Order: sequence, then C-alpha cells, then structure tokens
Amino acid sequence: GAVVSQHPSRVICKSGTSVKIECRSLDFQATTMFWYRQFPKKSLMLMATSNEGSKATYEQGVEKDKFLINHASLTLSTLTVTSAHPEDSSFYICSAYRVNRLNEQFFGPGTRLTVL
Amino acid sequence: AQTVTQSQPEMSVQEAETVTLSCTYDTSESDYYLFWYKQPPSRQMILVIRQEAYKQQNATENRFSVNFQKAAKSFSLKISDSQLGDAAMYFCAYRSKETSGSRLTFGEGTQLTVNP
Repeated sequence: GAVVSQHPSRVICKSGTSVKIECRSLDFQATTMFWYRQFPKKSLMLMATSNEGSKATYEQGVEKDKFLINHASLTLSTLTVTSAHPEDSSFYICSAYRVNRLNEQFFGPGTRLTVL
Repeated sequence: AQTVTQSQPEMSVQEAETVTLSCTYDTSESDYYLFWYKQPPSRQMILVIRQEAYKQQNATENRFSVNFQKAAKSFSLKISDSQLGDAAMYFCAYRSKETSGSRLTFGEGTQLTVNP
C-alpha cells in the first residue's frame, strides 16, 4: 500500500517558538493533503485541506496565521505552528489523497507536539 | 453537511468472541463511501474496510464485515474471532463522491478492549 511519512514524530518546543511538521507521500503524487488535530481519546478534527500550488482551505475556527500550510510540491505539505503555546500541544496527523479508481486517503503516523 | 455518529464510546469483547460496533450517518447524497478505520495505541490510522453506497453487497475483509443498511443510514462493523491485536479505537467515516478529493467526516470513535 501507499506510504505517507511525517517528520518529526515527536517534537518538544518552548512557548513562543515555531515548529514545522512535514508530510510526504512517498510513492505517489498527492494534489490534496489534509491536516488533522487529535486530542487524547477523541476523534480527528480536520484543520485544513492543502492543495498543491494553491492556498490551503481552513476549517472554521482554525487560525490561518497560527497554522501555516504550504503544499509546494506534489509529494510534500508542511504545517508550521507559529508562536506555539501550551494549548497547541496535541497530536497532528496528515493524510494524502491518491487519485485512482478507489480515490483513497493514506494517513501519516502522526506528530506529537508538546509546547512547554 | 454530513454527520457520523458512533453511540458506543467503549466496547469490550472476550478473545475469540464476536463484537459489533455501531455507526449511523446522515446525508442527502445518494452515492458515497463509508469506512471503518482502526487506530491502535501507535496512533497510526489503518483502513479496516470500505463500502461504496451503490453496492448492495456488504463488504467483507477476513474477520471484519459490515452490515450496511442504506435506508436506515446505518453502517455497523462486525469483528469475528476477536484477537488481542484488535484492541484499538475504531472510527467510522463518511466521504462524499460528489466532490473530488473530498474530506472524510469521522465519528467520535469507539474504544474496543479485547479481554484474554
């Protein structure tokens, strides 16, 4: 099956700093990627839809200037948490959409962000 | 907008027994996809089974099968011969066919415990 990677898997940062999380589709091109946030024992909450070569579409309530998304190539999308604060601590998951007969979404392994 | 509801926050089953996880959804669309995803403690999202709404036959993948009732908008997952490795959070999800690359709408999840 298709593979999606995320880097880093874990990151700890100080309050006020920015953190970049990468999402890569390793063996297919993904024009669309999704970024989710997940709190413990809760469902995945869609933050934004990342489209290659265009601006991301953010869900209601998600701060665009806080969570910067860049989808510069067909295999890479990045999420930058700017001026991180402890309340941004969470598990962030990306998924990449593969256009074929099944139109499947493949998930990355997630990134645990801890802001001190 | 579509919604997905999982009414069982937690379920438990004895090893080798059968368990059914419930899922209902709401949509005005006639054709769509439904999914069950498994999220083990590693938090990697794993696709368990997929159902296309226009197909009347219930999908089956080894020990996993669904009971798809389109008129009732119900999509339950049956796990037969439960194994310890089945312990995980299970998410039911909906995806529209009407828009390309459309998002997944997740239910709240059901935490499944498998007792030895």
